[in-house]
Amino acid sequence: QSALTQPASVSGSPGQSIIISCTGTSSDIGAYNYVSWCQQHPGKAPKPMIYEVSNRPSGVPDRFSGSKSGNTASLTISGLQAEDEADYYCSSYTTSHTWVFGGGTKLTVL
Amino acid sequence: EVQLVESGGGLVQPGGSLRLACAASGLTHSNYWMNWVRQAPEKGLVWVSRINSDGSITNYADSVKGRFTISRDNAKNTLYLQMNSLRAEDTAVYYCAVWGASGGWGQGTLVTVSS
Repeated sequence: QSALTQPASVSGSPGQSIIISCTGTSSDIGAYNYVSWCQQHPGKAPKPMIYEVSNRPSGVPDRFSGSKSGNTASLTISGLQAEDEADYYCSSYTTSHTWVFGGGTKLTVL
Repeated sequence: EVQLVESGGGLVQPGGSLRLACAASGLTHSNYWMNWVRQAPEKGLVWVSRINSDGSITNYADSVKGRFTISRDNAKNTLYLQMNSLRAEDTAVYYCAVWGASGGWGQGTLVTVSS
């Protein structure tokens, strides 16, 4: 199972909005509405931010939103804040009954 | 709030074995699929295995199939990962994770495979 494709890095200024894309295939993102996103600060454990494409666990700010179109999922962060600077990973359930992650995207808040 | 605490990591020689455990609290443990995910040093997240609520269904990444075994003890609210025939490339921080509305990740446990 090949990893999902994410941009290596994205950046934005405080208050701006950014979008992180996550491209898969018809065997993963395109097959199910089981796409998740997590945030990882350096040296820390990942934190779930989005599940089932667009749902936020309790406690996650509504500045974070998820969507999907075809084989590509997206994470949008609006009103960027300094503490949003972190690595972000997408993941998807697959037709092989496994999960696959993206390579990760480093978000820099300028 | 879900709490997941891994244990059992350490240094092991190539070809050796190790059993990881993940103690869960704060959720109805038995109602959730649970996963193991690993992260090699300075690398990204890689899904390893998952198990359903009653332990009757398990799935594995190709890289660990036949060497790793996932299991759970719902009476003890604990998830396990038995790792055999370990290789240098299995060196990583291993996280247990639950996804969904009550999802969460543990703090991870480091496994180092080296002679």
